[in-house]
Amino acid sequence: DVKVTQSSRYLVKRTGEKVFLECVQDMDHENMFWYRQDPGLGLRLIYFSYDVKMKEKGDIPEGYSVSREKKERFSLILESASTNQTSMYLCASSPTGAGGYNEQFFGPGTRLTVL
Amino acid sequence: DQQVKQNSPSLSVQEGRISILNCDYTNSMFDYFLWYKKYPAEGPTFLISISSIKDKNEDGRFTVFLNKSAKHLSLHIVPSQPGDSAVYFCAASAGGNEKLTFGTGTRLTIIP
Repeated sequence: DVKVTQSSRYLVKRTGEKVFLECVQDMDHENMFWYRQDPGLGLRLIYFSYDVKMKEKGDIPEGYSVSREKKERFSLILESASTNQTSMYLCASSPTGAGGYNEQFFGPGTRLTVL
Repeated sequence: DQQVKQNSPSLSVQEGRISILNCDYTNSMFDYFLWYKKYPAEGPTFLISISSIKDKNEDGRFTVFLNKSAKHLSLHIVPSQPGDSAVYFCAASAGGNEKLTFGTGTRLTIIP
């Protein structure tokens, strides 16, 4: 059974703190993604990675960075958390191949609140 | 710039009837489309997809229709069941790119 796990389901942090969100997939997928989901805005892509140590900016990368040291793990870092980063964060992975027409598999999400 | 739009934030349908969820896109380079379903406090799960070389794809109670000239796709669920109550997202990709662009979602409520 395919699985994407995220380190925390709920997280509360203070403004200015450095925050790490961890994502692990056990499907040997090449591609990994970080999204945030906000009411009325849908899922917006923050960063993605096609391979180990590779990263590309998504649509809303400001205030975030990522790290992918191992194929199965993709970390999202909030360098200095702000209240407007309060959101649901979703990690996903997908394989490469078949002309790129591959579904993404999602983790359960991390509800982050920044006070 | 919202390239994938779901103009109905919510939809209520009687159990047993047909649910029709709509999605419009603006980027003519999109050639693969997916629908995801999301329950509260869970990640989205893949439902059904369609390539631009087709205009219809069926999987059990779920059918997706694609109208390329109108840049419009729809998801039909028939018959609707209470377990179908969820938020539905459409998504699109272009040219074999692994990146997906998602719509804003439609909350479907099935009334028993």
